[in-house]
Amino acid sequence: QGQLVESGGGLVEPGVSLRLSCAASGFTFSDYHMTWMRQAPGKGLEWLSYITARSSQREYADSVKGRFTISRDDAKKSLYLQMNSLRAEDTAVYYCARDLMLRGFDIWGQGTVVTVSS
Amino acid sequence: EIVLSQSPATLSLSPGDRATLSCWASQSVGTYLTWYQHKPGQAPRLLIYGASNRATGIPARFSGSGSGTDFTLTISSLESEDFAIYYCQQRSRWPLTFGGGTNVEIK
Repeated sequence: QGQLVESGGGLVEPGVSLRLSCAASGFTFSDYHMTWMRQAPGKGLEWLSYITARSSQREYADSVKGRFTISRDDAKKSLYLQMNSLRAEDTAVYYCARDLMLRGFDIWGQGTVVTVSS
Repeated sequence: EIVLSQSPATLSLSPGDRATLSCWASQSVGTYLTWYQHKPGQAPRLLIYGASNRATGIPARFSGSGSGTDFTLTISSLESEDFAIYYCQQRSRWPLTFGGGTNVEIK
């Protein structure tokens, strides 16, 4: 079935950087597109970024474009989200998910919490 | 950006009731509409893709319909485990967007 486990969250001050990781197991990671999403406290789900298998295409939400960078290391079966210039409004639970395109996000991690506060 | 609006924001029902959740898109998304279930502290769960196709392992009491701008998720008879927040999401255009969610709560 497959599993995703996020890590790298924490409490940081505004303006700093953080890198989130998402470790995949139980499926051939390199064959699949991947996505990051988040949920801020009291808010709904927000799509953030997408990367194709073999990293040929990347897409970003306007809210993070220019600050966040998605990448992957297929040898390590890992997905990453480099987050720069963090703001208080980036405080959220961050999820990675396997992206089946028109068939939806079928495997999600449990999330990692990022808190941006001084 | 395509805006998805969900209605109602909260649905108070009893086990065994029928739940009807709506999702409207600000412009046509064809049938590129997906539904997710989310419970606090858990990972979201894929329910319906392509507006009307149940994902693997999803019970038959969940069904989706619609195309263009108007979509519906129906739960024919609520089980205790169905009380959760439900989100629609469009895959028609970048950026991908989610609706604000419908909270199905126990009456």
